[in-house]
Amino acid sequence: NAGVTQTPKFQVLKTGQSMTLQCAQDMNHNSMYWYRQDPGMGLRLIYYSASEGTTDKGEVPNGYNVSRLNKREFSLRLESAAPSQTSVYFCASRLWDDGSQYFGPGTRLLVL
Amino acid sequence: RKEVEQDPGPFNVPEGATVAFNCTYSNSASQSFFWYRQDCRKEPKLLMSVYSSGNEDGRFTAQLNRASQYISLLIRDSKLSDSATYLCVVGGNEKLTFGTGTRLTIIP
Repeated sequence: NAGVTQTPKFQVLKTGQSMTLQCAQDMNHNSMYWYRQDPGMGLRLIYYSASEGTTDKGEVPNGYNVSRLNKREFSLRLESAAPSQTSVYFCASRLWDDGSQYFGPGTRLLVL
Repeated sequence: RKEVEQDPGPFNVPEGATVAFNCTYSNSASQSFFWYRQDCRKEPKLLMSVYSSGNEDGRFTAQLNRASQYISLLIRDSKLSDSATYLCVVGGNEKLTFGTGTRLTIIP
């Protein structure tokens, strides 16, 4: 039981490049989330998915797209990376009737 | 006003001492409340849920005051391993809102 896994762990991009961050959970959770964490800003929600086939915007969705591929997997795509997207990205999942969320180990992204 | 506000610290506390963190939230419709712990360069991990009646887990006690929209965390007999950032978290229907965290360092 791996919990929530994320790939890659680290990534360096040049401005304008694209990439997809992968997230998978094996806890049979319904909801999945993508956050970014920046110094002094706390965790901010980018997108979330309450169930397979649905996605919704969070607080900071601009510049990102997501795909809920199936119940296990929720990916985050940066189509044209910008230096402002340098951050640590966390994926999380949640049981429907338990409000708490469980986080993956994060992806550290540097955009030059 | 931020939705969840915490004193950022840092709190530097000697080993064995008792330390308390406070947090206020702005959305009176909030339904769920948690404390998370985050170690340096790691993911946030659930420390404990917070209930209106108050709840305790070993050396940790959490309290919720809905009328004042205030949450607290008390750590007794602090250990070196308690050094971390503590995040106050408030939830609605689907989403959680995180405070920016309070940094705690336990000094030997």
